[in-house]
Amino acid sequence: DAKTTQPPSMDCAEGRAANLPCNHSTISGNEYVYWYRQIHSQGPQYIIHGLKNNETNEMASLIITEDRKSSTLILPHATLRDTAVYYCIVRPSNSGYALNFGKGTSLLVTP
Amino acid sequence: GAVVSQHPSRVICKSGTSVKIECRSLDFQATTMFWYRQFPKQSLMLMATSNEGSKATYEQGVEKDKFLINHASLTLSTLTVTSAHPEDSSFYICSARASGLAGSEDTQYFGPGTRLTVL
Repeated sequence: DAKTTQPPSMDCAEGRAANLPCNHSTISGNEYVYWYRQIHSQGPQYIIHGLKNNETNEMASLIITEDRKSSTLILPHATLRDTAVYYCIVRPSNSGYALNFGKGTSLLVTP
Repeated sequence: GAVVSQHPSRVICKSGTSVKIECRSLDFQATTMFWYRQFPKQSLMLMATSNEGSKATYEQGVEKDKFLINHASLTLSTLTVTSAHPEDSSFYICSARASGLAGSEDTQYFGPGTRLTVL
């Protein structure tokens, strides 16, 4: 899997948009960008994934640069419950391989 | 949809005993399940990959005779920690690969985790 680089921590005020960056400059053409988050003492939660087009679902938006070397996860209106560690992972889809978790970004949403 | 459960959520056992953890995909079939371990303030580390009807594939450094994995059906995988010791105390998490679930090809869904404490 291509390696990813994320800032270790970020703060965001409640109600504001949280923009979490991820660099994946060695991503291959067949690799997708996946985002998961882990709230303390829980299992990781799937958020969103994409290949090259921007994606949006009920949880977040994923913006992937045209060269696919970086992406941003956007939580449009952060709440206190969004405080978690966010993991950006790149891997081929339909590969059957496990997800390789790095250190992620610890997002703290403050009142 | 795409819910994965684990049982028990937490267990405390004495050193030398064995503990079984169940992982179930509740609303989809999972040909592949994964077992991870997470120590405090660390990220998830893959222990093994479990394919239905075949032997599990273990990561380097994970003892297959100590961590027994059985994946007998498309919705159930079990991890048995044999002769548990205090250093096995950890947060054990399973995930299931959703195959054939519309719009979720190859997305992995995680269970809530099992907190194991070995005294």
